[in-house]
Amino acid sequence: QQPVQSPQAVILREGEDAVINCSSSKALYSVHWYRQKHGEAPVFLMILLKGGEQKGHDKISASFNEKKQQSSLYLTASQLSYSGTYFCGTLRGGTSYGKLTFGQGTILTVHP
Amino acid sequence: SQTIHQWPATLVQPVGSPLSLECTVEGTSNPNLYWYRQAAGRGLQLLFYSVGIGQISSEVPQNLSASRPQDRQFILSSKKLLLSDSGFYLCAWSVLGLDTGELFFGEGSRLTVL
Repeated sequence: QQPVQSPQAVILREGEDAVINCSSSKALYSVHWYRQKHGEAPVFLMILLKGGEQKGHDKISASFNEKKQQSSLYLTASQLSYSGTYFCGTLRGGTSYGKLTFGQGTILTVHP
Repeated sequence: SQTIHQWPATLVQPVGSPLSLECTVEGTSNPNLYWYRQAAGRGLQLLFYSVGIGQISSEVPQNLSASRPQDRQFILSSKKLLLSDSGFYLCAWSVLGLDTGELFFGEGSRLTVL
């Protein structure tokens, strides 16, 4: 089952913050976050495994809620290099072990 | 270090023609291998998944097929392409399952079917 991302698109000026959400109707085993620059392959950002977990590096962080049905990606003081499409990927475990199902993506555009 | 290569990078094919995209991984053994497709402006759709030589799981019924003749080689094929097969094809690999690790993507192959 595909996770739902919101918003579909975000336009920012440098220095502004953004939040991207990823939701599922059922509890998830884990959540992956990836960023894809136009015409390039997606690049891994981080993975969250535990309910209530928060992770981050530099000014990009993410959280996984206690019920493990929603994850949010936080981009603080955005830079031009943050522009791209952000995907969350969910892994439910069990029969879907080893396979990520991605959301439809959120297009982030940062202007000077 | 581990690397993943895909080729060709771009190709334009007529409807009804065959297709072969190849992916190889270096620097690791027994990886899980994946083929994803991304239609223009859309998300990533998992097409095939392989945990070992000759072991292929198909996620979406279609006119595409995949094969894994060697441990680190993954091939995506079609006997007759359709217009709807156009898109950006991404090969990826992971170490064991994805419950704790990341997915590493190749550079992608952009296919246009005319």
